[in-house]
Amino acid sequence: KQEVTQIPAALSVPEGENLVLNCSFTDSAIYNLQWFRQDPGKGLTSLLLIQSSQREQTSGRLNASLDKSSGRSTLYIAASQPGDSATYLCAALLSSGNTPLVFGKGTRLSVIA
Amino acid sequence: EAEVAQSPRYKITEKSQAVAFWCDPISGHATLYWYRQILGQGPELLVQFQDESVVDDSQLPKDRFSAERLKGVDSTLKIQPAELGDSAMYLCASSLTAGGYYEQYFGPGTRLTVT
Repeated sequence: KQEVTQIPAALSVPEGENLVLNCSFTDSAIYNLQWFRQDPGKGLTSLLLIQSSQREQTSGRLNASLDKSSGRSTLYIAASQPGDSATYLCAALLSSGNTPLVFGKGTRLSVIA
Repeated sequence: EAEVAQSPRYKITEKSQAVAFWCDPISGHATLYWYRQILGQGPELLVQFQDESVVDDSQLPKDRFSAERLKGVDSTLKIQPAELGDSAMYLCASSLTAGGYYEQYFGPGTRLTVT
């Protein structure tokens, strides 16, 4: 059974710092990996989707990498801002099309002005 | 930009009562998902539809939960009777179709509190 783990569970950084959020998964046969942002009491906003054939994806100040062989993905946030404060979730999709996304518990990020 | 719509946004109900949630996916999206997210946890799939057919409801507590997508467009998730442990965020998502190339887009969720 696929399990997804996110470390750390919570992170507090000063504004302007670059930071890395970690995601690990137990089954390397994933089809894709998706990073989401969730503000308190809100739904999920998709940030980046990395296909299994890709190594990384970039969007603005965000860069996500995928290393299937080691079962790891990282989300890099450059020059963090208070508006980046939220919970960040990663989710893995197994290779067969009708399997559900398996989510980690998330990393709660606070960026202090 | 097209979005997944959900209603109500918040619902407070007493245990043993019935409650229903509604979801309208992005137009043209064939696959619809209902997830449940307990506070501090990641979402877990309850049911997945491909058009009007259920393709995965293995984690749906069928003694009290039901879901339908009669015309393959919008969907309703029902709980009867509600229990205290059902308090959670219920999230609906849709994708163009099933398969790893297609992103899942999430709605704002319905926050259920059972008292």
